[in-house]
Amino acid sequence: DAGVIQSPRHEVTEMGQEVTLRCKPISGHNSLFWYRQTMMRGLELLIYFNNNVPIDDSGMPEDRFSAKMPNASFSTLKIQPSEPRDSAVYFCASSRTGGGNQPQHFGDGTRLSIL
Amino acid sequence: QKEVEQNSGPLSVPEGAIASLNCTYSDRGSQSFFWYRQYSGKSPELIMSIYSNGDKEDGRFTAQLNKASQYVSLLIRDSQPSDSATYLCALTNTGNQFYFGTGTSLTVIP
Repeated sequence: DAGVIQSPRHEVTEMGQEVTLRCKPISGHNSLFWYRQTMMRGLELLIYFNNNVPIDDSGMPEDRFSAKMPNASFSTLKIQPSEPRDSAVYFCASSRTGGGNQPQHFGDGTRLSIL
Repeated sequence: QKEVEQNSGPLSVPEGAIASLNCTYSDRGSQSFFWYRQYSGKSPELIMSIYSNGDKEDGRFTAQLNKASQYVSLLIRDSQPSDSATYLCALTNTGNQFYFGTGTSLTVIP
């Protein structure tokens, strides 16, 4: 079975530009999570969806960040406008439930650099 | 108080030794516990899950859960240089929320 698929793997752009990260969860998983990881702050949960509905977006740092899940097989995380402090690795993960006794499975991540 | 606490390390052990990684948590009602391994530049990878008190063994890995003392640990027997990575403890609490610890860096010295 295919794992969680993220694109792009790497993104380098100038500050002020719009950035869109994409994620395809594992088929049959109904929960999807977006994380950001930096050396300073570790792994931070930004938002998670259950059955395509956003459940908890309290980790989204600012209004510049938005996430959507239009269907069960696709989600996007958008940053507009981007800033250098947004540079990090962004992971998408999915699980079978809303975070209960089922573990999360991670994609390979998107390494984002904002110049 | 953080939901999950881990010693960031670094922890260094010689090859062949037992590596012991520990994690404490604050929500006594937490139900499910997981250990992830993350190699540098890679994504977290699930290696163990444990749901009830006691030990759970999988190959060289043993997860231990003590709900009364609110800690969970991971033992790696016969440590290998390929075990060098950051190990993340994770759990779901009574609110069904998923939390990760900040991770412990392990280095196995040949």
